[in-house]
Formats: sequence, structure tokens, C-alpha cells
Amino acid sequence: AQSVSQHNHHVILSEAASLELGCNYSYGGTVNLFWYVQYPGQHLQLLLKYFSGDPLVKGIKGFEAEFIKSKFSFNLRKPSVQWSDTAEYFCAVNEPGNTGKLIFGQGTTLQVKP
Amino acid sequence: DTGVSQDPRHKITKRGQNVTFRCDPISEHNRLYWYRQTLGQGPEFLTYFQNEAQLEKSRLLSDRFSAERPKGSFSTLEIQRTEQGDSAMYLCASSPLDTEAFFGQGTRLTVV
Repeated sequence: AQSVSQHNHHVILSEAASLELGCNYSYGGTVNLFWYVQYPGQHLQLLLKYFSGDPLVKGIKGFEAEFIKSKFSFNLRKPSVQWSDTAEYFCAVNEPGNTGKLIFGQGTTLQVKP
Repeated sequence: DTGVSQDPRHKITKRGQNVTFRCDPISEHNRLYWYRQTLGQGPEFLTYFQNEAQLEKSRLLSDRFSAERPKGSFSTLEIQRTEQGDSAMYLCASSPLDTEAFFGQGTRLTVV
């Protein structure tokens, strides 16, 4: 069965610091990859996705992620975080052409100090 | 607001009672999903509909859980004889075929 592992459960950064959140998945076949964000009191929102093509994907709010197939990884990055980036971040995968159901990691809580 | 809508947002119930949640997906989204999320965990897949057909159910979905999507539009999730372990956030999501899912704000269930 597929699984998704997020290495950092809780990250605390100061504003302007760089961010990298790790995500590894277990499935060996073709996958679609996602990062979702959940701001306090809000619903899960898509930050970015990778289906195919350029493995460096740019998303909203200055986030990007790099798909490294050989490492089964899809790490999320942002060069300079803001206080408003405080949220919970979830990495997820699904199998293309299948049901579309998502397998989520445990999530990483990011706290950005002003 | 044309996003995914869930009702109610919060539900407190006594152990042993039945509860029903509703999800209104984004119109014309063929696929509808139910997930459950507990504190400190990512959402876990429960079940999935394509139009009105329920095509997959997780082993997490015990016999006390049932979901319907009678006309391929809104969906309901019913939990019978609730237990304290059912306390969680129940999330609904919808998508067109084979693209990203859009999530609702969830229904937080507390079983006392």
C-alpha cells in the first residue's frame, strides 16, 4: 500500500527564513503529487501539484516543489517565509487514471515568528 | 460561494446516537470523496463516488458507516451507534475526472 512520510512534524521559523519541508512516498509506479495547505480555521487548499513534465513545480504564494523520482521525494520550498505562511502543510499522492483518492502524509505544522 | 459545502460544521452527539452529515460538491464535479482527519494526522480516505456510484470504500469504513450520493450531486455520510472513537473531522472533497480535489471546511464530530 502507498504511504507518504513527512519528516518534520513541527517547524518554527523567523520571518524571511528559507523553508524546506520534506515529503517521501512509497509507491514505485507513476504518481501525481500534491501539496495542500490548511490555514487556521480554513479548509485544505491546493498549493501546487505535479502530474508530469518539468519536475520543478511552482505554486501559489511563492512556493515551489521538486519531484525527484529516484528519491521518491517531493519537497516543498519557499525562499523567504512570511508570518502569513503559518499553517499546516500536507503532502499527498494518488495514482493517475485511477480513483483519484489521495494518500496524505501526517502533516507539518509551520509556525512563522514575526 | 461555489466551493464544496459541508453541513453541519460542528456536531456534538451522545454515544450510541446516529448522525448524518451532508456534502454539496462543486457542481459538475463527477467525483466526490469522504475523508476523516484526527488530531495530528493527515486526512484518511473513507469512500469515493463517481456520479451516483460508490466505487470504493476503505477498510476504515465499518458497517456503522454508510454514504450515499443518490442523484450524483450532494452526498450524505451517516454514522450509526456513534462511538467515542468516531470523534474526528469529516472532510468532503470533489473533483472533475483525474485532477486535483477541492475540499470543504469539514464537519467536526464530537462524541461524548
